[in-house]
Amino acid sequence: RKEVEQDPGPFNVPEGATVAFNCTYSNSASQSFFWYRQDCRKEPKLLMSVYSSGNEDGRFTAQLNRASQYISLLIRDSKLSDSATYLCVVLEYGNKLVFGAGTILRVKS
Amino acid sequence: DADVTQTPRNRITKTGKRIMLECSQTKGHDRMYWYRQDPGLGLRLIYYSFDVKDINKGEISDGYSVSRQAQAKFSLSLESAIPNQTALYFCATSRGPETGELFFGEGSRLTVL
Repeated sequence: RKEVEQDPGPFNVPEGATVAFNCTYSNSASQSFFWYRQDCRKEPKLLMSVYSSGNEDGRFTAQLNRASQYISLLIRDSKLSDSATYLCVVLEYGNKLVFGAGTILRVKS
Repeated sequence: DADVTQTPRNRITKTGKRIMLECSQTKGHDRMYWYRQDPGLGLRLIYYSFDVKDINKGEISDGYSVSRQAQAKFSLSLESAIPNQTALYFCATSRGPETGELFFGEGSRLTVL
């Protein structure tokens, strides 16, 4: 079983739609959680951290469910520029960052 | 100019050749990393270094070696390249993993024929 699992997608959505991605992690001792964004043929960049109480950054909302060991990313009012691969990242005990394989989002006009 | 610079950006080579990928950074971070990315597998850690005298193996270090020449420079070598080392390689830096924020270079696409 992969340490961090994501639905690879692609998620094809129209502009203005709301879309959500989930990510599950296997290590219950995982300490911190993050979402990265990776544009086609580019390097990954940190999108946002995920806090226990949930957090928002503009149109993006991240949630953590420790009991079920999953995190989610919700994007409201999708823009064409949101098209990218979204990587779920988990910081495990021992300061090891583990990356999911990513979920592809395509926003279409 | 990019804060984390990788060279070369693209390289095609033959099986058995020695290849070096270089990384330099201007962020002043002590921690540097080399990852490879393959479709469907995500980013996997090859080697990492927390300072000039510190080198650590990641989860897939076999077939690779590294050198930390200075705080700002971290190079990855493939002593004898093989086709399954064809991948996109990223160098990254961080202040510390606790922040979860890695700063990546633009990547080096390596093809081994």
